[in-house]
Amino acid sequence: NAGVTQTPKFQVLKTGQSMTLQCAQDMNHNSMYWYRQDPGMGLRLIYYSASEGTTDKGEVPNGYNVSRLNKREFSLRLESAAPSQTSVYFCAILYRGGYEKLFFGSGTQLSVL
Amino acid sequence: RKEVEQDPGPFNVPEGATVAFNCTYSNSASQSFFWYRQDCRKEPKLLMSVYSSGNEDGRFTAQLNRASQYISLLIRDSKLSDSATYLCVAGSGTYKYIFGTGTRLKVLA
Repeated sequence: NAGVTQTPKFQVLKTGQSMTLQCAQDMNHNSMYWYRQDPGMGLRLIYYSASEGTTDKGEVPNGYNVSRLNKREFSLRLESAAPSQTSVYFCAILYRGGYEKLFFGSGTQLSVL
Repeated sequence: RKEVEQDPGPFNVPEGATVAFNCTYSNSASQSFFWYRQDCRKEPKLLMSVYSSGNEDGRFTAQLNRASQYISLLIRDSKLSDSATYLCVAGSGTYKYIFGTGTRLKVLA
């Protein structure tokens, strides 16, 4: 997954702790996304960024903030982690080059105790 | 009701079998459709886009029925390596890509 890099791959937090999930792309695309994936729920969009400096809420934004300071990076911040935020988080970019597809990073597995 | 619905399976089929998955979507404004494959504990990867006229890629055939609002995926001559979860996706607009919960396929030797 050279195109989209997520860090960290695994993280364990205690309730109330904060952390930032990092996502960086080297594919020079405008649109970036954060999804979470839970058993039986599929992937749900947390936040979306159409371009540098712009962000929009997705389906499940509560408890999260995002930052898109440049074209390359899109970070997701949990200010006060809750057990309900235990999930696998995927960052994705929208590739548009003759055809359209979401290209995902390898994911971050987060556990909140 | 979920916006994109799939039978979760699992579908257990022998090698060489043909298997079909269906997916329904509720948003009539959906314009783009995809099938993604996801292996256990891995990220989803695009398997194929779904075009109005239907399309084929080797052993995989995708169909779209806009009137009934469903898409399908047919896998012929199943291989052990086809074992995975298949995610149906409907897109409307630049950012709204709605994923189904996935259908698990296990191909048995």
